[in-house]
Amino acid sequence: TQLLEQSPQFLSIQEGENLTVYCNSSSVFSSLQWYRQEPGEGPVLLVTVVTGGEVKKLKRLTFQFGDARKDSSLHITAAQPGDTGLYLCAGDSGGSNYKLTFGKGTLLTVNP
Amino acid sequence: DAGVTQSPTHLIKTRGQQVTLRCSPKSGHDTVSWYQQALGQGPQFIFQYYEEEERQRGNFPDRFSGHQFPNYSSELNVNALLLGDSALYLCASSLTGNQPQHFGDGTRLSIL
Repeated sequence: TQLLEQSPQFLSIQEGENLTVYCNSSSVFSSLQWYRQEPGEGPVLLVTVVTGGEVKKLKRLTFQFGDARKDSSLHITAAQPGDTGLYLCAGDSGGSNYKLTFGKGTLLTVNP
Repeated sequence: DAGVTQSPTHLIKTRGQQVTLRCSPKSGHDTVSWYQQALGQGPQFIFQYYEEEERQRGNFPDRFSGHQFPNYSSELNVNALLLGDSALYLCASSLTGNQPQHFGDGTRLSIL
């Protein structure tokens, strides 16, 4: 069974601070996605990382895929209240395995 | 361009009843996946439909069944509802089986 462990589970910070969220597994994934989910809504895809060691930037968000494609991190610079939400990582094993395996998520609260 | 739409948004049932949830995929998508998200958890894969067939199934009992129609829309049926079936049910669509998956806002199912 593939598992994705996210840490921390909860994070409450002040506006302007930096933060990093981690997503770890003992399994190799062909790609990994990061989603953000707000209350009452479905997850919204932020980024997909595919290549080991890959780094992608989306404005103040930086995503990294581990060299062995087993782990990933999300770094937010100068967090804003609009960044508040549940951040989920999801792994795709590829091939004929079509499901996404999700972590439990990191609930981020950015206080003004 | 309409995204993934799900209905109803909320539903209250009692134990032992049956429920049908509906999903229309994003325009141009041919594959529909269903996920269950319990409170405080990440989404868990139920099954995926492609070409009107169940292509892959997660670790859910036979009480959970589905269907895909020729227009690619899909239904999730749950029989003999249990209290533990209370959750947010998410539908995701994609072009072919893997990536990226786009999620609807879900149906919140409450079992009394």
